[in-house]
Amino acid sequence: AQSVTQPDIHITVSEGASLELRCNYSYGATPYLFWYVQSPGQGLQLLLKYFSGDTLVQGIKGFEAEFKRSQSSFNLRKPSVHWSDAAEYFCAVGSLGKSTFGDGTTLTVKP
Amino acid sequence: GAGVSQTPSNKVTEKGKYVELRCDPISGHTALYWYRQSLGQGPEFLIYFQGTGAADDSGLPNDRFFAVRPEGSVSTLKIQRTERGDSAVYLCASSSGGRDGTEAFFGQGTRLTVV
Repeated sequence: AQSVTQPDIHITVSEGASLELRCNYSYGATPYLFWYVQSPGQGLQLLLKYFSGDTLVQGIKGFEAEFKRSQSSFNLRKPSVHWSDAAEYFCAVGSLGKSTFGDGTTLTVKP
Repeated sequence: GAGVSQTPSNKVTEKGKYVELRCDPISGHTALYWYRQSLGQGPEFLIYFQGTGAADDSGLPNDRFFAVRPEGSVSTLKIQRTERGDSAVYLCASSSGGRDGTEAFFGQGTRLTVV
């Protein structure tokens, strides 16, 4: 069975600082991996996805993620965080049409 | 419409009552998904339609939950004899195909509260 672990429930960073959100997955084959963002009152929005090929993927809003098969990880990064990035972030692994989500990391941005 | 539309946005019902939650997917999207998100947790898969048929309903928690998509477009999630534990945000998503990795677009959800 596939599973996703996001070890950090809550992260606080200062505006302008770099960000890394961790994601570890368990899946028996090559995974399809996603990062979503959810702001209050908003639906889930896809930031980026990985299927195959280049292990460093670029997404919207300046985010990127790196797939590391040896570590079963797909961490999300941003070099400089903006106050508008404060939200909840979900990592997900997909197969056979459905996705399994982690429990999310809440990001707070300090001015 | 431009995105996935879910109605109602909020629903309060009494324990034991029957509820229906509606999802209007993006026009032309053949795949439709229902998820449930409880407080402090990530979305949990319920059911996935490809066209009119349920391709995977393994996430439905019990036989009180049922979903239909009779014409391959709008879908309704039906919950019988609601329980307080059913309180959650029910999310619907659609995509242009059911293949792995096809981007799914989510609606804003229906917040169900069972009192």
